[in-house]
Amino acid sequence: GDSVTQMEGPVTLSEEAFLTINCTYTATGYPSLFWYVQYPGEGLQLLLKATKADDKGSNKGFEATYRKETTSFHLEKGSVQVSDSAVYFCALSDQGSARQLTFGSGTQLTVLP
Amino acid sequence: DVKVTQSSRYLVKRTGEKVFLECVQDMDHENMFWYRQDPGLGLRLIYFSYDVKMKEKGDIPEGYSVSREKKERFSLILESASTNQTSMYLCASSQTGPGYTFGSGTRLTVV
Repeated sequence: GDSVTQMEGPVTLSEEAFLTINCTYTATGYPSLFWYVQYPGEGLQLLLKATKADDKGSNKGFEATYRKETTSFHLEKGSVQVSDSAVYFCALSDQGSARQLTFGSGTQLTVLP
Repeated sequence: DVKVTQSSRYLVKRTGEKVFLECVQDMDHENMFWYRQDPGLGLRLIYFSYDVKMKEKGDIPEGYSVSREKKERFSLILESASTNQTSMYLCASSQTGPGYTFGSGTRLTVV
């Protein structure tokens, strides 16, 4: 079945540091890929998405590129801020199972001033 | 923007009680979902629905049921709450195509 593997957390960075959160996936079809963010005490919000190979999703300074050859969708940001502290979830939606999202386990990011 | 509203942010219930978690969306979305979120396990799908009066089991349906009598409302029911159902419950909705809108979550504690 489909699965998503994220790097283990928690991740702690200083403000303005470079961020990478690794995400790899297993899927039978041609999935769409997503990053969701969950701020403390809130539900999940869509951060960015990519629907086909080589697409780059971007939002709020975050980027991720859909790499079919390595089955990866790593999240990056060049300079993190304290306000980026949150839990980040990688997810996929397989065309074969339509409309359902499969999530990774989440990565807790803490940014220190 | 689509809004998904979960009726309670925090609930405390006793073992054996019947528990109702309510979710309402305001953008006429066809698809609605219930997940539970646990540390280290990410989000796991409990039930979902593609239409009124329609439901399908997700990955962990045991101990849960759902009801969708109206398009905008999707209820999760714990028939007899147990301590291992203590968790964060997240409702989501979507229209055609991938990507969800989530509610703020209900943190349920069963004592």
